[in-house]
Amino acid sequence: ETGVTQSPTHLIKTRGQQVTLRCSSQSGHNTVSWYQQALGQGPQFIFQYYREEENGRGNFPPRFSGLQFPNYSSELNVNALELDDSALYLCATHRDQTRGYTFGSGTRLTVV
Amino acid sequence: GESVGLHLPTLSVQEGDNSIINCAYSNSASDYFIWYKQESGKGPQFIIDIRSNMDKRQGQRVTVLLNKTVKHLSLQIAATQPGDSAVYFCAERLATSGSRLTFGEGTQLTVNP
Repeated sequence: ETGVTQSPTHLIKTRGQQVTLRCSSQSGHNTVSWYQQALGQGPQFIFQYYREEENGRGNFPPRFSGLQFPNYSSELNVNALELDDSALYLCATHRDQTRGYTFGSGTRLTVV
Repeated sequence: GESVGLHLPTLSVQEGDNSIINCAYSNSASDYFIWYKQESGKGPQFIIDIRSNMDKRQGQRVTVLLNKTVKHLSLQIAATQPGDSAVYFCAERLATSGSRLTFGEGTQLTVNP
């Protein structure tokens, strides 16, 4: 087991809706990153949170936003869903910049 | 750019053979590299990592080689087993990008019994 839990595992939403995905951090891992993985591609960095603040962002629009809580768990929110948002969303946790990025199993989001 | 790419999208080997999966990266400022294994329906699983001040690192049945001169990374799997069948990704981290990882497209490894 990875120690990183994501929920839900699968989700179907309608275009234009909003979605919240959740990630619980492995004990002691105070940094969480979110990635989007389209089918057949490598994960793409969305953003990272460290000590409850966004600390780095990839090439994603502002409708992708997040939160990190004092217990280091995290949420990814996506507003105004588009069909192209259909993907596997992964969170990865780690302790500062040390080695050992642990990924969750992801949330499979389908936008119809 | 910060892209990381792989030479081959698919690799098929016989059980017991050694596998070599290659990766080319473009940013000489990357200081840390990781190989991940991803099985269908699962998240990436850490295999082995290497820092830019090293050129080789060995794990259990796996070896990572880093050639900074030609910006090339490879993963060697000894005595490949059917359970090794998966998509393998290399990822790089820029020294100035915090914890952000840049992934390549992946190589599908199929192990034939």
